[in-house]
Amino acid sequence: EVPLVESGGGSVQPGGSLRLSCRASGFTFRSDWMAWVRQAPGKGLEWVANIKEDGSERFYVDSVEGRFTISRDNAESSLYLQMNSLRVEDTAVYYCTRYNDITEGDSFDIWGQGTTVIVTS
Amino acid sequence: IQLTQSPSFLSASVGDRVTITCRASQGQGLRIYLAWYQQKPGKAPKLLIYAASTLQGGVPSRFSGSGSGTDYTLTISNLQPEDSATYYCQQLKTYPLGFGGGTKVEIK
Repeated sequence: EVPLVESGGGSVQPGGSLRLSCRASGFTFRSDWMAWVRQAPGKGLEWVANIKEDGSERFYVDSVEGRFTISRDNAESSLYLQMNSLRVEDTAVYYCTRYNDITEGDSFDIWGQGTTVIVTS
Repeated sequence: IQLTQSPSFLSASVGDRVTITCRASQGQGLRIYLAWYQQKPGKAPKLLIYAASTLQGGVPSRFSGSGSGTDYTLTISNLQPEDSATYYCQQLKTYPLGFGGGTKVEIK
């Protein structure tokens, strides 16, 4: 069983919107921070957003603040990323990941396979 | 916190020992928030090491991490063909949670 499965990627015009989803299984989703990380074609990894276990705290990279919204539904073990006002530079593979913040040290320890977002006119 | 990895590319032979460096712009209290990942083409990143030196379960013991303050290293001893990948360091101490630029390791 794959612990994180993303969906919702696709091709959209600049200014458009997409909603990414990530379904979790095999761990206690409601007890964990979650995050989105993206990777533009041929580029490195970029953290996009985090959300606390209960959704009460959210953090974003500056370049998406005000345009993207991270959310979660613990009853459905699902993570979401609502992306509005999309720009060409948002083109990337978007990964859902578990943010494991434990006493011994933090990490992104579980990753989905990624979903591709292409913003093009 | 900005992370600078070096080198950006390295080529080594099977059996070699390779070292990748990650330098942070600020280092106070960073050690437990420093992680290393391996990414192969077309695949998701995989956690190798967290807290600078703790090996994630299932990761071969030829991978090791060390460092403190602003300077950290990932070492692969006895390099294997399957280690061909790009390696990233990451800091999870302050927002934005940044990654280093990556080091591509090629097997000669």
